[in-house]
Amino acid sequence: KQEVTQIPAALSVPEGENLVLNCSFTDSAIYNLQWFRQDPGKGLTSLLLIQSSQREQTSGRLNASLDKSSGRSTLYIAASQPGDSATYLCAVSRTDSWGKFQFGAGTQVVVTP
Amino acid sequence: SQTIHQWPATLVQPVGSPLSLECTVEGTSNPNLYWYRQAAGRGLQLLFYSVGIGQISSEVPQNLSASRPQDRQFILSSKKLLLSDSGFYLCAWSIVGGDEQFFGPGTRLTVL
Repeated sequence: KQEVTQIPAALSVPEGENLVLNCSFTDSAIYNLQWFRQDPGKGLTSLLLIQSSQREQTSGRLNASLDKSSGRSTLYIAASQPGDSATYLCAVSRTDSWGKFQFGAGTQVVVTP
Repeated sequence: SQTIHQWPATLVQPVGSPLSLECTVEGTSNPNLYWYRQAAGRGLQLLFYSVGIGQISSEVPQNLSASRPQDRQFILSSKKLLLSDSGFYLCAWSIVGGDEQFFGPGTRLTVL
């Protein structure tokens, strides 16, 4: 069974620092990996989707990398801002269960002014 | 553009009462639809998914059921709620052949 782990569970950084969020998974036979942001009491906002054939995706200040062989993905957020404070979740889907995501528990990020 | 709606936004129900949560998607046809639950201190758990009208797959045995009466409507139901059904329920959609999922605003359910 696929297990997805996000470490650390919580992270606090001063404004302007770069954020590095980690996601690890136990089964490398993944179809896709998706990063989400969740604000308190809200739904999930899709940030980046990395297909299994890709190594990274970029959107603005966000960059996500994928290393299937080591079972890891990293989300980088450059020059963090207080508005980046949220919980960040990663999710993976397997090649034999397309569309069914397994989620990590998330990393709660606080960016202090 | 596509949008996804869920209602109600919050719900407080007594144990043993019925439940009906609704999710609708606009701006796309024949989407895959998903119900997730996010319990306090736990990650998201996939409950049901649907690839078409009347086609429902359940991921975990439980007190809940799902139905898809129309192409862009997904309903989560229960005949008798349990305390353990409390949580944040999220509906999501993806296009057929695509894997990126898009989530609704969620329904906060408290069972007392």
